[in-house]
Amino acid sequence: KQEVTQIPAALSVPEGENLVLNCSFTDSAIYNLQWFRQDPGKGLTSLLLIQSSQREQTSGRLNASLDKSSGRSTLYIAASQPGDSATYLCAVRRGGADGLTFGKGTHLIIQP
Amino acid sequence: DGGITQSPKYLFRKEGQNVTLSCEQNLNHDAMYWYRQDPGQGLRLIYYSQIVNDFQKGDIAEGYSVSREKKESFPLTVTSAQKNPTAFYLCASTAWGGTEAFFGQGTRLTVV
Repeated sequence: KQEVTQIPAALSVPEGENLVLNCSFTDSAIYNLQWFRQDPGKGLTSLLLIQSSQREQTSGRLNASLDKSSGRSTLYIAASQPGDSATYLCAVRRGGADGLTFGKGTHLIIQP
Repeated sequence: DGGITQSPKYLFRKEGQNVTLSCEQNLNHDAMYWYRQDPGQGLRLIYYSQIVNDFQKGDIAEGYSVSREKKESFPLTVTSAQKNPTAFYLCASTAWGGTEAFFGQGTRLTVV
């Protein structure tokens, strides 16, 4: 059974810092991996989708990498801002018809 | 604007009652999903549907039921057999082939 782990569980940094969030998964046979952001009491907002054949994806200040063979992904946030404060979730899909398996998330606080 | 609409935002259920959560999408997506989120846990898959009139159980289907009579709609019924229904419920959809997943804003269900 696929298990997804996110480290750290919580992180607090001053505004302007670059930071890295980590995601690991136990079964490397994945179809794709997706990073989400969740604000308190809200739904999930998709940040980046990486297909299994890809190594990284970029959107603005965000960059996600995927090393499928080692079962790892990282989300890099450049020049962090207070508005980046949220919980960040990593999820993997085993096959095109399957649902997502989620990690428990990293709760990020950016101090002004 | 295209998206996923969940209603109601808040729902209260008495012991022994069945309640139905609504999920509607206008993204023309083929696949729809229901997840449950509990504090300190990752999202867990309840049911999913790839096409109309067909659906599959996820990891925690006991005490829940679904229907998929229209492509746009995937309602979830929380039955009285679900012993611990208090949670945040999220609906999602993807295009055919398991591409980027989009989520609704969630329904918070509380047993009173």
